[in-house]
Amino acid sequence: DIVMTQSPESLAVSLGERATISCKSSQSILHRTNYKNFLSWYQQKPGQPPRLLLFWASTRESGVPDRFSGSGSGTDFTLTISSLQAEDVAVYYCHQSYSTPQTFGQGTKVEI
Amino acid sequence: EMQLVESGGGLVQTGGSLRLSCAASGFSFSSHYMNWVRQAPGKGLEWVGRVRGIADNYATDYAASVRGRFTLSRDDSKNSVYLEIKSLRTEDTGVYYCTRDRSWDDAFDLWGQGTMVTVSS
Repeated sequence: DIVMTQSPESLAVSLGERATISCKSSQSILHRTNYKNFLSWYQQKPGQPPRLLLFWASTRESGVPDRFSGSGSGTDFTLTISSLQAEDVAVYYCHQSYSTPQTFGQGTKVEI
Repeated sequence: EMQLVESGGGLVQTGGSLRLSCAASGFSFSSHYMNWVRQAPGKGLEWVGRVRGIADNYATDYAASVRGRFTLSRDDSKNSVYLEIKSLRTEDTGVYYCTRDRSWDDAFDLWGQGTMVTVSS
């Protein structure tokens, strides 16, 4: 199984400041046929289901603000919130769909 | 509006069974693989399993933790996907989400609100 390891477990960022979350996979999730990383990022607010933010590691889902960005390839990935807003308080998860069983990171809680 | 609505959760004793349902609307259901993801209280997300479409003979995949006890199925004529759970354990307690799987990136772009399963000893 591919293990997804996120860090940190939680972080507190001032409004308007940058938040950075790391996600590392135990093996490469870069698909050799299309050179896409099968890595997605989700945001989950209390009492709500998760929401897809980014897919293919760095492509923003429609409607997601451009302060959210993703980077990385192979085994190391990063989610960046460039200027934290109050509504960004949530838990963020990375997810690999490269192989079965699909796996999630343990989550990173972002607070103000 | 595209929507997934889960139902069937509840309070069950250990060893019992449940059948969760997920009704889809607002999109071409048969074109998508469908997944279940669960979340224990205060914990993270855990992928449970996936059912593919008719082109893949409705093949299923499961997490190791549920294989043999959970059964995924779908009825494209009813735009619904089902999760049958047997031999329930206390560690199966949590919210069960139905999710839509996009074919080109396997990202989960549509989620239901979830249904709560509580397993009591």
